[in-house]
Order: sequence, then C-alpha cells, then structure tokens
Amino acid sequence: AQSVTQLDSQVPVFEEAPVELRCNYSSSVSVYLFWYVQYPNQGLQLLLKYLSGSTLVKGINGFEAEFNKSQTSFHLRKPSVHISDTAEYFCAVSEKAAGNKLTFGGGTRVLVKP
Amino acid sequence: EPEVTQTPSHQVTQMGQEVILRCVPISNHLYFYWYRQILGQKVEFLVSFYNNEISEKSEIFDDQFSVERPDGSNFTLKIRSTKLEDSAMYFCASRRLAGGADTQYFGPGTRLTVL
Repeated sequence: AQSVTQLDSQVPVFEEAPVELRCNYSSSVSVYLFWYVQYPNQGLQLLLKYLSGSTLVKGINGFEAEFNKSQTSFHLRKPSVHISDTAEYFCAVSEKAAGNKLTFGGGTRVLVKP
Repeated sequence: EPEVTQTPSHQVTQMGQEVILRCVPISNHLYFYWYRQILGQKVEFLVSFYNNEISEKSEIFDDQFSVERPDGSNFTLKIRSTKLEDSAMYFCASRRLAGGADTQYFGPGTRLTVL
C-alpha cells in the first residue's frame, strides 16, 4: 500500500515570490508520481508527472518538480507565482505494476497575495 | 479540448434515499474511476472500471455503492441508501491507456449533501 504526505496544508505567498510545496510518499513498490491542481469550482488538472528518467520534471504554467528517490520526495516548485496560481495542489502516486488507482496527499492550499 | 463532465454539480438528498451521480468520460477513454473527497480530508479512491466490470474497489465501496456504464457514453455511481457520512465531493476520472503512466482526467465533481 502507498501513502502520500503533504507537509503544508496552507502556503501563503506574495506575488512574484517563489514557492515550494512539499510531498513525501511511502510505497513498497515502484510508483509513478503526479501533481494535480484544483482551481476554485473546477476539477483536478494534471500539472506534471514523473514516470522515469530525468528526476527534474517540467509541467504546465511554469511549475517543475524534482523526484528524490532516496528521500522519497517529489517537491513542486515555481520560481515566481502569479495571483492566478491561487489553488489547491495535490500530490499523488500510482503503482507501476498495477497501474491503476491514484493515492492522494491531503492537498496544499496556495494563496497568492498581491 | 475533450473533457470529463459530471452532473449534477450539486445534489441534496435525504438520508436513506438513492442517488445516481452521472459522468460522461472522454470519448476514446477505456478506464473509468470514481473518487470522493469528504470536506477537509484527502481525495480517496472508490472504484475503477474497465471492459464493463469493476477492476478494483476500495473498502469504502461497499454493497451500498454500484457503478454502471449503461449506454457506452455515461458512467454512473449509484448510492442505494445514502448516509450522512456519504456527504462529499465525488469526482469521476477517465484515462485512455492501460498502465499507471497514463494521465487520469478528472471531471469538476458533484457535491453530494445528505441531510
């Protein structure tokens, strides 16, 4: 079984400042890693995913994440946030072998202030 | 761009009543899912569906729940006798290919309120 922990439930940040959202996972098998974003009153949208290869993954809207196998982490970063980045961000994993369901973290609410 | 749609956006029901939540997955997708998120808690997997049968279900998905793909386009989640604790946001998702590497596309959710 897998589990995902997002250490920060809320992250306030000023516009144009950098932001990092932390995600740690636990699994006895190899996993794929995902970050989803949920804007107010919308569904979950994929930001990026790590499948294999380079540990630095670039996604949409200027976000990137780094997979660290030894620390079982997949932290999300953006060097300069906009007001429009205000949303909830979810880290998730799925087993490579079974390849089916997503297991989500608790989410991090990002509030970008002007 | 194709998207997953869900209806209704908000459903209010009385405890003990049956509800059906509807989803229209992306048209060439073959794998379908339901997840739910109780207010303040994690998004939780309920069930996955492929080739007209359940491929995996969680402990939450007990006999009160059922899923169906009645007509080749809709994918429904039925709760036979709703409980207060069923109040949650329910998300439908779909993906095209086998394997966990393929992206799951989510709908906007249905907020279910059980009174």
